[in-house]
Amino acid sequence: DAMVIQNPRYQVTQFGKPVTLSCSQTLNHNVMYWYQQKSSQAPKLLFHYYDKDFNNEADTPDNFQSRRPNTSFCFLDIRSPGLGDAAMYLCATSRDQGDSNQPQHFGDGTRLSIL
Amino acid sequence: GQNIDQPTEMTATEGAIVQINCTYQTSGFNGLFWYQQHAGEAPTFLSYNVLDGLEEKGRFSSFLSRSKGYSYLLLKELQMKDSASYLCAVRDSNYQLIWGAGTKLIIKP
Repeated sequence: DAMVIQNPRYQVTQFGKPVTLSCSQTLNHNVMYWYQQKSSQAPKLLFHYYDKDFNNEADTPDNFQSRRPNTSFCFLDIRSPGLGDAAMYLCATSRDQGDSNQPQHFGDGTRLSIL
Repeated sequence: GQNIDQPTEMTATEGAIVQINCTYQTSGFNGLFWYQQHAGEAPTFLSYNVLDGLEEKGRFSSFLSRSKGYSYLLLKELQMKDSASYLCAVRDSNYQLIWGAGTKLIIKP
């Protein structure tokens, strides 16, 4: 089945130690998104790629970076994780941004803990 | 600013019907989505509305009134597995999704 895959499901890192989360998709979608979601809160969009075009949200901290080496893969790099970065990180894809009724498809998420 | 409002939590009984409301104020409107999210899992797509009216999909229906900035998700014949958070999201004029914080639905036997 075509899908969005995130690895790992759970990630533990130390305060200040760089960490990379990965996402891959077999849907061949143009757009890939990274969201941060904290308990009982709305998903917060960090950035998205439309093909190779990177779009950063204005309030995304510089500590968060992303790479999309090809259509299938997208990475979230947190350069110096702080305690406030502990959250669920969700990767999502969509065929196109303006597609009328096409929803975003989510991976299972990576739950990040900071020690 | 852009805003999506949903009740924080609702409780309902197995077999009953529940309506989860969502009101929104966004810069432009290009459709409204409902997602279901079980604890610790990713959101899964439930429904999409772009025109006024009711969209029915099995036990779930979603309603939209664009003039009122209002939508609801109706769940019928509730099952225990329907215990989850339900998130309302609006696609704005820039085709970005603006998300509500979700409504946690608790189903009791």
